[in-house]
Amino acid sequence: GDSVTQMEGPVTLSEEAFLTINCTYTATGYPSLFWYVQYPGEGLQLLLKATKADDKGSNKGFEATYRKETTSFHLEKGSVQVSDSAVYFCALSSLYGQNFVFGPGTRLSVLP
Amino acid sequence: SAVISQKPSRDICQRGTSLTIQCQVDSQVTMMFWYRQQPGQSLTLIATANQGSEATYESGFVIDKFPISRPNLTFSTLTVSNMSPEDSSIYLCSVEWPNTDTQYFGPGTRLTVL
Repeated sequence: GDSVTQMEGPVTLSEEAFLTINCTYTATGYPSLFWYVQYPGEGLQLLLKATKADDKGSNKGFEATYRKETTSFHLEKGSVQVSDSAVYFCALSSLYGQNFVFGPGTRLSVLP
Repeated sequence: SAVISQKPSRDICQRGTSLTIQCQVDSQVTMMFWYRQQPGQSLTLIATANQGSEATYESGFVIDKFPISRPNLTFSTLTVSNMSPEDSSIYLCSVEWPNTDTQYFGPGTRLTVL
């Protein structure tokens, strides 16, 4: 079945550092790919998405590019802030009607 | 996107009791979902709730333990029945936005069972 793998962390960075959170997937067909963020004590918020190969999703300084050849959707940000401290979930939605599949989540802590 | 609210936001319950969680959406949506997030874990789908039909449960979840109602296109409830400490989790509802494959989530209900 479909699956999502991501670095589990925790990841600890200093403010203004460069962030990469790796995400790879296994899926039949051509899934849509998502990054969600969960701030402490809150629900999940959609951060960005990409629906086809080579699409780049971006939001709030975060970017991720849908790489079909490497089945990856790595999340990047050039300069993290303390307010980016959260858990980040990579997810896919299969075009064959399967419900969302979530990765295990990556906890990010940004220190001032 | 949709605005989704959940009630209660958190609760502390005694073993053996039941809790009903409400999910309200500000737009009509066909597909609603209920997830469980155990402490420090990812999300696990409990069931899919479509208006006018029985909820579809995932493996490991049964209707007697997690009855779901979906009376209209903007509202759903999940009941956690005969609770035990193992049911302590965050319960989240989500909706699939029409003509997209994107899910939007409510703020979650944080449940603690003593």
